[in-house]
Amino acid sequence: KQEVTQIPAALSVPEGENLVLNCSFTDSAIYNLQWFRQDPGKGLTSLLLIQSSQREQTSGRLNASLDKSSGRSTLYIAASQPGDSATYLCAVSGNQFYFGTGTSLTVIP
Amino acid sequence: NAGVTQTPKFRVLKTGQSMTLLCAQDMNHEYMYWYRQDPGMGLRLIHYSVGEGTTAKGEVPDGYNVSRLKKQNFLLGLESAAPSQTSVYFCASSYSDRAMETQYFGPGTRLLVL
Repeated sequence: KQEVTQIPAALSVPEGENLVLNCSFTDSAIYNLQWFRQDPGKGLTSLLLIQSSQREQTSGRLNASLDKSSGRSTLYIAASQPGDSATYLCAVSGNQFYFGTGTSLTVIP
Repeated sequence: NAGVTQTPKFRVLKTGQSMTLLCAQDMNHEYMYWYRQDPGMGLRLIHYSVGEGTTAKGEVPDGYNVSRLKKQNFLLGLESAAPSQTSVYFCASSYSDRAMETQYFGPGTRLLVL
């Protein structure tokens, strides 16, 4: 069974800092990997989707990388802002979708 | 364009009661999913559907039933609610090929079973 792990579980940084969130998975037979954002009491919003044949995707201040052979992905957030405060989840798609438990990010003004 | 909507937003049930959660999407998506989210467990797939009239079991299907009579609706039923089913339930949809498509999520239904 696919296991998805996200480290750290919580992260607090001052505004303006660059930061990296980590996601690891145990089975490299995936179709894609997605990063989502979840605000308190809300649903999930897709940030980036990386297909299994790709190495990275970028959107604005966000950059996600995928190393399928090692079972790792990182989400890089540049010049963090208080509005980036949320929980970030990664999910891998194999025979079904498997989610990590998320990293709770707080950006301090 | 409302995206994915869920009804109700919050519900309290007593053990043994039944209820149905409704998910609706207006994006003409083929695939629809029901997840539950519990602290420290992440989201887990309950059931999913790859098209109108089809359903399949996910990771944690026990105690739940689903129906997809119309393409735009996906219903999740609890026949006899148990306290272990206290959770936040999310519905999601996607267009088709899981390798290419992202999932769009509803706002969630908070269920408390006493």
